[in-house]
Amino acid sequence: EVVLTQSPGTLSLSPGESATLSCTASQSVTPTYISWSQQKSGQAPRLLIYGASNRATGVPDRISGSGSGTDFTLTIDNLEPEDYAVYYCQVYSNFRPMFTFGPGTKLDIK
Amino acid sequence: DVQLVQSGAEMKKPGEALKISCKGSGYTFGTHWIGWVRQMPGKGPEWMGKIYPGDSDTTYSPSFEGHVTMSVDKSVGAAYLQWSSLRAADTALYFCVRLEHSTVYSSSWLQIWGQGTQVTVSS
Repeated sequence: EVVLTQSPGTLSLSPGESATLSCTASQSVTPTYISWSQQKSGQAPRLLIYGASNRATGVPDRISGSGSGTDFTLTIDNLEPEDYAVYYCQVYSNFRPMFTFGPGTKLDIK
Repeated sequence: DVQLVQSGAEMKKPGEALKISCKGSGYTFGTHWIGWVRQMPGKGPEWMGKIYPGDSDTTYSPSFEGHVTMSVDKSVGAAYLQWSSLRAADTALYFCVRLEHSTVYSSSWLQIWGQGTQVTVSS
């Protein structure tokens, strides 16, 4: 089973700044297996990025994903109030369990 | 709009049985896998397993196999997650989620989420 770690645990930034969130896998992962979700307090997660770099429907282009091997990144440019949330990376597997989640990065308003 | 709408919050005692539901709308229910995800208080999501409404094919995550049962009723467009004997450790928020699969990417992802059902188990 691939284990995901995310850093930092908490990121405090001001509106207008850029956020770089990291997701590291315990072994090399096919990039198309990586996705990112956003979860606001009391809400369900929302898919942002699939296949490492493809934006889900309705996701603005200031949000982007990249990476390969064991290191993947979610970048959010020009932070807006709606961006402050917890972000999870997930990895798909052909084996059980089908999905594994990282522990999350909390993006806070500075 | 594609939506998954889940049943309301439940408060149960240890040892009791429970069945929660997830109703799909805005798409043909039998064409996409439905997964279930647990989120314990203050923690990240955990994958529980998935079911295909077309033929009820089910795959459980090893951590949950034997403790929960997934089922569907395609005629009403609903998926279910049930416990025969709840434990306090089952207290969590449970989400259903529609999977999207790509043969091009040879991958799946968690595309559409239900709003969640809070299950509280306490004596």
